[in-house]
Amino acid sequence: RKEVEQDPGPFNVPEGATVAFNCTYSNSASQSFFWYRQDCRKEPKLLMSVYSSGNEDGRFTAQLNRASQYISLLIRDSKLSDSATYLCVVNGGGNTPLVFGKGTRLSVIA
Amino acid sequence: ETGVTQTPRHLVMGMTNKKSLKCEQHLGHNAMYWYKQSAKKPLELMFVYNFKEQTENNSVPSRFSPECPNSSHLFLHLHTLQPEDSALYLCASSQGGLGTYEQYFGPGTRLTVT
Repeated sequence: RKEVEQDPGPFNVPEGATVAFNCTYSNSASQSFFWYRQDCRKEPKLLMSVYSSGNEDGRFTAQLNRASQYISLLIRDSKLSDSATYLCVVNGGGNTPLVFGKGTRLSVIA
Repeated sequence: ETGVTQTPRHLVMGMTNKKSLKCEQHLGHNAMYWYKQSAKKPLELMFVYNFKEQTENNSVPSRFSPECPNSSHLFLHLHTLQPEDSALYLCASSQGGLGTYEQYFGPGTRLTVT
């Protein structure tokens, strides 16, 4: 099983839609979880951390399910500017670097 | 944003050339990373330095040679590269404790090997 798995998409949604991405991870010892956003030909940028109790930042909501070992990202009221690749990032347990998923591509269409 | 800077932003080099990529972080972090991202492919971790000590080398060919003189600077020395080494090379940094804290990326160097 791969360490971090994401549906590659693409997800093509109209403006204003709500879209959700899921990500599963294999290491039950993982303690840190993040979502990053990467625009075409640009560097990944931190979107938000994911906390055990779930957290929200404006139109974005992240949730963690430790029992099933997955995290999710919900985007409400999608904007054209949300079009990007969303990377699920998990720590590998212990003092090891973060593991980046392959990303889910989102296209928001007018 | 100027937290992590990389130079040059674009580089074209022949297979017999020697060049170096430079990364500098202004965030007071202790860990620095080199990643490779080929077209339409995921990030590949190449090297990790934590408190100036190399802690990971993910089976990277010896034609790539990293150097970390201090916690703020990271170099990637390139020598006799192959066309398949053409990619976006990204530098990142984080606080100490490799897997705990988020990483911040530089804008990358887009490398073309001819």
